[in-house]
Amino acid sequence: EAGVTQSPTHLIKTRGQQATLRCSPISGHTSVYWYQQALGLGLQFLLWYDEGEERNRGNFPPRFSGRQFPNYSSELNVNALELEDSALYLCASSPRRGQYFGPGTRLTVT
Amino acid sequence: DQQVKQNSPSLSVQEGRISILNCDYTNSMFDYFLWYKKYPAEGPTFLISISSIKDKNEDGRFTVFLNKSAKHLSLHIVPSQPGDSAVYFCAANAGGTSYGKLTFGQGTILTVHP
Repeated sequence: EAGVTQSPTHLIKTRGQQATLRCSPISGHTSVYWYQQALGLGLQFLLWYDEGEERNRGNFPPRFSGRQFPNYSSELNVNALELEDSALYLCASSPRRGQYFGPGTRLTVT
Repeated sequence: DQQVKQNSPSLSVQEGRISILNCDYTNSMFDYFLWYKKYPAEGPTFLISISSIKDKNEDGRFTVFLNKSAKHLSLHIVPSQPGDSAVYFCAANAGGTSYGKLTFGQGTILTVHP
């Protein structure tokens, strides 16, 4: 069974630009979660999508947004990038309460 | 306000011995707890979970203990192996409107020496 996949692996952007990160959940999983792991910090919950709807949101500004497609894959968009947005962005999916993570996208903002 | 805390940043253990990783939480609404293992530049790997209706769950070399009155959980790894060396995160979930949100501790770096 294929795990959660994320693309791209690495992304380098300039301050003020927009970044788009993609995630494909494990087959059969309808929920997708996004987390941010900044350097020296733990994993911080960003967003939860289920059945195409945003169900919950972490304590992040509105320039962090996303969507879930009919095939349950998801996109995370970060607008007006700031230097402190540099982090590992992790996507997870689940059928129930346990969450299974992808390898992450390393976003670097210069 | 850090609702999930792993007070030991690091732990060093000899191969074959027991590793005990600890986690404390403050939110009494948490009713589901998980442990993850993470290598650098990779996503966390799910290890084991426990519901608040239980006080112990076992899976091979991994056992998680939950003490609800103390708001404390621990992960025991027996016997420890060098391949267990990684960062271990505990996470908690409250259910209800917070159903999809995992709150993570800061992690404990486990080093298992041959």
